[in-house]
Amino acid sequence: AQKITQTQPGMFVQEKEAVTLDCTYDTSDQSYGLFWYKQPSSGEMIFLIYQGSYDEQNATEGRYSLNFQKARKSANLVISASQLGDSAMYFCAMREGSNTGKLIFGQGTTLQVKP
Amino acid sequence: DAGVIQSPRHEVTEMGQEVTLRCKPISGHNSLFWYRQTMMRGLELLIYFNNNVPIDDSGMPEDRFSAKMPNASFSTLKIQPSEPRDSAVYFCASSPRTGEDRGNTIYFGEGSWLTVV
Repeated sequence: AQKITQTQPGMFVQEKEAVTLDCTYDTSDQSYGLFWYKQPSSGEMIFLIYQGSYDEQNATEGRYSLNFQKARKSANLVISASQLGDSAMYFCAMREGSNTGKLIFGQGTTLQVKP
Repeated sequence: DAGVIQSPRHEVTEMGQEVTLRCKPISGHNSLFWYRQTMMRGLELLIYFNNNVPIDDSGMPEDRFSAKMPNASFSTLKIQPSEPRDSAVYFCASSPRTGEDRGNTIYFGEGSWLTVV
């Protein structure tokens, strides 16, 4: 069965530094997609970045990049030049199957950026 | 462009009452999802629709929950009768299509915060 694991319940980072949020996944599907979402204290779920299982290059979106290591089944999120507004809960998610949009989520990592 | 719109944003109701949550997906999206978020269980998919047709409702907790999508621009999630354990944040989300590319990114609404007392 598909599963997403985020082993870091909470993380701290100094403002302007980079931080890596870990995500490992388990699937028997050959085709899948990996997503990261940000949930600030206001509660909305904000899409950050996507990586397809067949993508050869790591995905990047502004200050966000995804360190995709397929053999190790990891999809870590790297946030560069952290800002105070990055303080939030971060969820890793995987699209289950190749023809559905159904996502399964990890338990999340709370990131706090220190000034 | 308008995102996924949910209403109400906050609802407090008494046990036994009927609750209806509403969702307007992003125009042109043909997949719609209802998720529930609780501290204990995290984010769980309740049901999703493709082209207004329910595809997978295996996450619906029990018969007290029902969801409909009468047209491409509207969906409801109904709880009748409501119970305190239904207290959660209910998210509606939509995506352009199912498939393998980034085109099926799922976009979430702001959530409906339900408290059943």
